[in-house]
Amino acid sequence: DAMVIQNPRYQVTQFGKPVTLSCSQTLNHNVMYWYQQKSSQAPKLLFHYYDKDFNNEADTPDNFQSRRPNTSFCFLDIRSPGLGDAAMYLCATSRDRGPGYTFGSGTRLTVV
Amino acid sequence: GQNIDQPTEMTATEGAIVQINCTYQTSGFNGLFWYQQHAGEAPTFLSYNVLDGLEEKGRFSSFLSRSKGYSYLLLKELQMKDSASYLCAVMGEGGKLIFGQGTELSVKP
Repeated sequence: DAMVIQNPRYQVTQFGKPVTLSCSQTLNHNVMYWYQQKSSQAPKLLFHYYDKDFNNEADTPDNFQSRRPNTSFCFLDIRSPGLGDAAMYLCATSRDRGPGYTFGSGTRLTVV
Repeated sequence: GQNIDQPTEMTATEGAIVQINCTYQTSGFNGLFWYQQHAGEAPTFLSYNVLDGLEEKGRFSSFLSRSKGYSYLLLKELQMKDSASYLCAVMGEGGKLIFGQGTELSVKP
């Protein structure tokens, strides 16, 4: 089945230690999104790629970076995680920013 | 600004019907989604409305009025497994989803 896969499902990292979350898709969608969802809050868009073009949200901290080496893969890098970065990170894809959104299963990040 | 409002929590009885409302004010509108989210899991798609009216899919229905900036999700024949958070999300400019805070639904026996 075509799908969006996020690895790992759960990630524990140390305060200040760089961490990378990954997302892969077999849908051949050209848009990939990263959302952050803190406990009991709404998911919030961090950034997205339209093909190779990176689109950052104005209020996304510089601590968060992303890479998209090819159509299938997208990475979220947190350079120096703080306790406030503990959250569920959701990857989603779509075709041409249309309504056919597909979410991955998410990565729950814990910072210790 | 962007604003999406939905009730924080609701309680209903197994077998009953519940309606979860959502009002929105956004700078762009390319459709409205409803998602179900169980604790610790990713949102799962329930419905998408882009035109006014009612969309029915099994036990779930969703309604949209663009002129009023209003939508609701209707759940019929409630089951215990329907206990979850229900997220209203508007697709704005650039295909971005703007989410409401979610409505925590508790289904009681």
